[in-house]
Amino acid sequence: QVQLQESGPGLVKPSETLSLTCTVSDYSISSGSYWGWIRQPPGKGLEWIGNIYHSGSTYCNPSLKSRVTISVDTSNNHFSLRLTSVTAADTAVYYCARDGLGGYGGFDYWGQGTLVIVSS
Amino acid sequence: QSALTQPASVSGSPGQSLTISCSGTSSDVGRYNYVFWYQQHPGKAPQLIIYNVSNRPSGISDRFSGSKSGNTASLTISGLQAEDEANYYCYSYTTSTTLVFGGGTKLTVL
Repeated sequence: QVQLQESGPGLVKPSETLSLTCTVSDYSISSGSYWGWIRQPPGKGLEWIGNIYHSGSTYCNPSLKSRVTISVDTSNNHFSLRLTSVTAADTAVYYCARDGLGGYGGFDYWGQGTLVIVSS
Repeated sequence: QSALTQPASVSGSPGQSLTISCSGTSSDVGRYNYVFWYQQHPGKAPQLIIYNVSNRPSGISDRFSGSKSGNTASLTISGLQAEDEANYYCYSYTTSTTLVFGGGTKLTVL
C-alpha cells in the first residue's frame, strides 16, 4: 500500500513562496510512476497543479506554470512543490498523489492533504 | 485551459440509477481514452473510481460504470446507496500534455 504524506508550513504570507514536500512510503519513487500535486480551495473543486516523473521531467498547469517548480529527490523518496508569489487565491488544501496509470491523470494513491492559508 | 463541464448537482433515491455527464472538447475527452472519475467525501482525499473511461480499480463497486461518446464522458451509478452521497469529479488528459478537471458534481441521495 503506497502511502503519501504532505508536509510544510500551514501559513504563508502574500508574495512569498509556498513550499511543500510529499514523502512517499512503501514504494520507491525510483521504481517509476508519475507523481502529482493537486489543490482544492475551500469549498471549491479540484485543480491540477503539475506532475513529475522519477527522472525529473515535469508538466504543469499552464495557468500556474510561471510560478510552479516541482522537483523530485529519489534518495529521500520524496517530491516537492514550490509556488512563488502567492496570493489569497492560493489558499487551498494541497494534495500530493501518485499518477500510477501512465501520467495521464490516474491518481491512484493520495496523501491526506494539507491546508495552506495565504495571509499576512 | 478550460475545465470540463459537469452538472453542479444531481440527486436520486436509494436503489435508483443516475448518470453524471462530463463535457469536454475534441482536445481532451474526445481525443483520448484517458478519462478518470473521482469520488470525494467531505473532508477526505479524492478516490479514483473509474480510469481510462470505463475501468474500475480493484475494490471499487461494480455499481459504478463509465462510458464516453464523442466529447462527453459519463459516470453511471446504479443501485444508489446512501454512502454514494459525495462530490464527483471527472478528469481528462489533453492534447497540450496537461490534465484538466471538471468542476465537480454534488450527488445527493434523497
